[in-house]
Amino acid sequence: SQKIEQNSEALNIQEGKTATLTCNYTNYSPAYLQWYRQDPGRGPVFLLLIRENEKEKRKERLKVTFDTTLKQSLFHVTASQPADSATYLCALGSTGRRALTFGSGTRLQVQP
Amino acid sequence: GAVVSQHPSRVICKSGTSVKIECRSLDFQATTMFWYRQFPKQSLMLMATSNEGSKATYEQGVEKDKFLINHASLTLSTLTVTSAHPEDSSFYICSAPGQVGDEQFFGPGTRLTVL
Repeated sequence: SQKIEQNSEALNIQEGKTATLTCNYTNYSPAYLQWYRQDPGRGPVFLLLIRENEKEKRKERLKVTFDTTLKQSLFHVTASQPADSATYLCALGSTGRRALTFGSGTRLQVQP
Repeated sequence: GAVVSQHPSRVICKSGTSVKIECRSLDFQATTMFWYRQFPKQSLMLMATSNEGSKATYEQGVEKDKFLINHASLTLSTLTVTSAHPEDSSFYICSAPGQVGDEQFFGPGTRLTVL
């Protein structure tokens, strides 16, 4: 069955450092992968989308890589700030099926 | 940007009663909306796809007679949890795909507590 794995343990880093979160998947050939931010008690907020034929995408301080051979995506937050503290979810999508399959998320805590 | 709202944000009900949750796309039309459920510290799990003008499509293991979905218009989908039980207590979130691209816009979620 399809499986998406994100590190369930919280990632604690110092302000200004780069946070790197991992998303691994098995038994899936996604057309694209998305990253969302979720704050406690709130719905997810879209951050970035990367397609299967793309290696890297950037948006401001965020960078996403996608390796379809390793079946892995890395999500980087550079020059992290306490306001970046949240749970980050990766989600996979297929062509023709717009519903997403989500990982369980990794909580990022940026210490001032 | 595209905004999706949900109402209510929180609801507490007694076991055996029914609860209706509304999901609205505020500044765009959505022929399709998705309903997810999220238990504490777990992933969002897709429950069903709501289709304007036709029946909803339910994921395996989701009882369609218990979770009634009505996509009344191009901007409104409702989820009714019928005969709610404590195990239905969860965070229910709806989403709608953008009109351009594959990102989705999520509502703020509804926290349902069944006593």
